Amino acid sequence: GEEVAQTPKHLVRGEGQKAKLYCAPIKGHSYVFWYQQVLKNEFKFLISFQNENVFDETGMPKERFSAKCLPNSPCSLEIQATKLEDSAVYFCASSSIWPYSNQPQHFGDGTRLSIL
Amino acid sequence: DAKTTQPPSMDCAEGRAANLPCNHSTISGNEYVYWYRQIHSQGPQYIIHGLKNNETNEMASLIITEDRKSSTLILPHATLRDTAVYYCIVRVESNQFYFGTGTSLTVIP
Repeated sequence: GEEVAQTPKHLVRGEGQKAKLYCAPIKGHSYVFWYQQVLKNEFKFLISFQNENVFDETGMPKERFSAKCLPNSPCSLEIQATKLEDSAVYFCASSSIWPYSNQPQHFGDGTRLSIL
Repeated sequence: DAKTTQPPSMDCAEGRAANLPCNHSTISGNEYVYWYRQIHSQGPQYIIHGLKNNETNEMASLIITEDRKSSTLILPHATLRDTAVYYCIVRVESNQFYFGTGTSLTVIP
């Protein structure tokens, strides 16, 4: 599609439960990025993919967080044993060819995760 | 490890130019500067980007200083719909975006 599609828009989980978020990048885009917005204006990079391969995972918490981008499927971000501090809006973005291009990242509207 | 600093808030009169500054004094030679805005809790919306030359598109102009340590986003004729949080971002070699904390721009009628 022409937009990055994130589902669900809102997700509520009890502390300790699993949460799984999905992202369909723009068709033809090779790169996918996940960001976490905890406080109103603070974005934290989590992980990026080049097609189905992890490109940069320096922002991913070592435990409980995992992500995948499999062929012909939406990308996913999964959090095991959620904690209150995981409450945030999670944004997915995609971009086209890099490093031979400086194309911007296109963001979805995010998934708001609330841990109770 | 903030790579950009921005004023937390600014006001601008409707119809006037809005000039949003950003400092990125540690930027490397091949790192681009991007500007995005976020309206309410929507996803960040791309505005413009540049490396060292000034850039202009239908939304805004980007002025980058010669030493590349700072830049200014210019919205030539601000409207009420331009009220948003504006982020100055450095894109590093790994393609990761480093967001600043943003400037909350309020356009006043």
